[in-house]
Amino acid sequence: DAGVIQSPRHEVTEMGQEVTLRCKPISGHNSLFWYRQTMMRGLELLIYFNNNVPIDDSGMPEDRFSAKMPNASFSTLKIQPSEPRDSAVYFCASSPTGGYQPQHFGDGTRLSIL
Amino acid sequence: TQLLEQSPQFLSIQEGENLTVYCNSSSVFSSLQWYRQEPGEGPVLLVTVVTGGEVKKLKRLTFQFGDARKDSSLHITAAQPGDTGLYLCAGAITAGNKLTFGGGTRVLVKP
Repeated sequence: DAGVIQSPRHEVTEMGQEVTLRCKPISGHNSLFWYRQTMMRGLELLIYFNNNVPIDDSGMPEDRFSAKMPNASFSTLKIQPSEPRDSAVYFCASSPTGGYQPQHFGDGTRLSIL
Repeated sequence: TQLLEQSPQFLSIQEGENLTVYCNSSSVFSSLQWYRQEPGEGPVLLVTVVTGGEVKKLKRLTFQFGDARKDSSLHITAAQPGDTGLYLCAGAITAGNKLTFGGGTRVLVKP
């Protein structure tokens, strides 16, 4: 079975540019999560969706970050404009709805903003 | 301040030695999960503990959930180089999907 698929795997861009990260969750999973991982702050939840609806976006750093889930098989995380402090590894994860379900992570997008 | 504090942050041991990683909080969790992450990959679930005092074993790994459901530990017996990785604990306050992750413990097992 295909796992969570993220693209691109690596992105290097200059500050001020728009960055779009993509995620395809596991088919049948109703919940989707976006995380950011850095050495300093560890793994932080940015936003999560349930049945394509954003449930909790309290982790989104600021208005430069936005996330969408137009359908059950696709989500995007956009940063506009990007800044060097946004450099991190961004993970997408999905899980079935319900208590105590494991989250299945993609391999992440390593983002470098110069 | 992390809601879940993991200790130690880094552990380097020789193959065959035992190790214990701790995950502590002042909050009560409905469940706690342990993940392992290898370089260039996302975290992968090892175990979920739900009941206070619960002990689960996965081959050489033993997981314990504290009686008060505020803390957990992971013990590895006779560690092998393949156990090298970043170990993350993650707690759920309610029986839903949202997890809060600890800062992680980086384990290096040298042959």
